[in-house]
Amino acid sequence: SQKIEQNSEALNIQEGKTATLTCNYTNYSPAYLQWYRQDPGRGPVFLLLIRENEKEKRKERLKVTFDTTLKQSLFHITASQPADSATYLCASSNTGKLIFGQGTTLQVKP
Amino acid sequence: DTAVSQTPKYLVTQMGNDKSIKCEQNLGHDTMYWYKQDSKKFLKIMFSYNNKELIINETVPNRFSPKSPDKAHLNLHINSLELGDSAVYFCASSPRLGDEQYFGPGTRLTVT
Repeated sequence: SQKIEQNSEALNIQEGKTATLTCNYTNYSPAYLQWYRQDPGRGPVFLLLIRENEKEKRKERLKVTFDTTLKQSLFHITASQPADSATYLCASSNTGKLIFGQGTTLQVKP
Repeated sequence: DTAVSQTPKYLVTQMGNDKSIKCEQNLGHDTMYWYKQDSKKFLKIMFSYNNKELIINETVPNRFSPKSPDKAHLNLHINSLELGDSAVYFCASSPRLGDEQYFGPGTRLTVT
């Protein structure tokens, strides 16, 4: 079955460093990947979408890559800030239906 | 202005009861969704409507019935509630199927 996996362990980094989160998919080839941010008690908020024919997408301090050979997407936050602390969800689709990973919690320490 | 709103935010009820959750979006989107997020934080699609037509219907017990009276509203009715239905339910919308999604604040359902 289609599966998307994120590192379930929390990622702790120091303010100012680059945070890198990983999303791996198996048993299918998604047409695109989406990344969302979720804060406790709130709904997910869309951040970036990258298509299979795109290697990289940027938005301000955020960068996402899509490697169809490794079946992996990397999500980077440069110059991280404590306000970036949240859970980040990766989602994939090739039919319009999104399949979400379990999310990775990022903690940025001042 | 609230883009996607849900009511109620919290819902505590007993097993066997019937309850409804309402969702409205003022973004003019064509597609709306219902998701369930369990205690392990997995977000799973339940249903999707496009212009009032059901287009995604996952393996969900038929006690769950979505209804879309118009493009801006998607309600979820749950019959004969069970303990395992306890979760946070999110409504979302997108311009079209496959576009970025805008989520509501969630409804935390607790079945006792």
